[in-house]
Amino acid sequence: RKEVEQDPGPFNVPEGATVAFNCTYSNSASQSFFWYRQDCRKEPKLLMSVYSSGNEDGRFTAQLNRASQYISLLIRDSKLSDSATYLCVVRLTGANNLFFGTGTRLTVIP
Amino acid sequence: GAVVSQHPSRVICKSGTSVKIECRSLDFQATTMFWYRQFPKQSLMLMATSNEGSKATYEQGVEKDKFLINHASLTLSTLTVTSAHPEDSSFYICSARGTENQPQHFGDGTRLSIL
Repeated sequence: RKEVEQDPGPFNVPEGATVAFNCTYSNSASQSFFWYRQDCRKEPKLLMSVYSSGNEDGRFTAQLNRASQYISLLIRDSKLSDSATYLCVVRLTGANNLFFGTGTRLTVIP
Repeated sequence: GAVVSQHPSRVICKSGTSVKIECRSLDFQATTMFWYRQFPKQSLMLMATSNEGSKATYEQGVEKDKFLINHASLTLSTLTVTSAHPEDSSFYICSARGTENQPQHFGDGTRLSIL
């Protein structure tokens, strides 16, 4: 079973729409959670960390549900520049490396 | 913010060639560096983890004699793909981190194409 699972999409939404992505992780020892953004043929860039109490950064809201082992990302008022692949990433307690989901592809349409 | 430089960004070479990729942390000391590989439409997969001055730790299924990693200083790690073959064609990305609680910062990636 994969450590991190995401719906690959694609999600095609109009500008201004609200879109949500979910991600599940399999290991209850997962300690740290992140959303990364990856543009086509580019490296991943950290979008935001995900905290237990949930956190918001502008139009982006991240939520963590430890009991159900899922993480969500909500994007409000979508912009064309939000078009990218969003990677759900977890790190296990005491581990060095990150585990990446396959990513969810978002296309925002004018 | 923290910057990681990866070079070269693109390599095209013949089968059997060895290719060296450099990963540098430009404004922080990278205690740990990671090497990932990403095939088209797939997730990033960790190949190996290296700590400065130590031997790299390779993930299961990654041949250490084929993918040579050197992390000789706190700002530089290199990955050498020895005797590369077409199946090694992929997007290779490094990342670097200072202390354990700090986030990983990624290089720009190297697109390797073996003919």
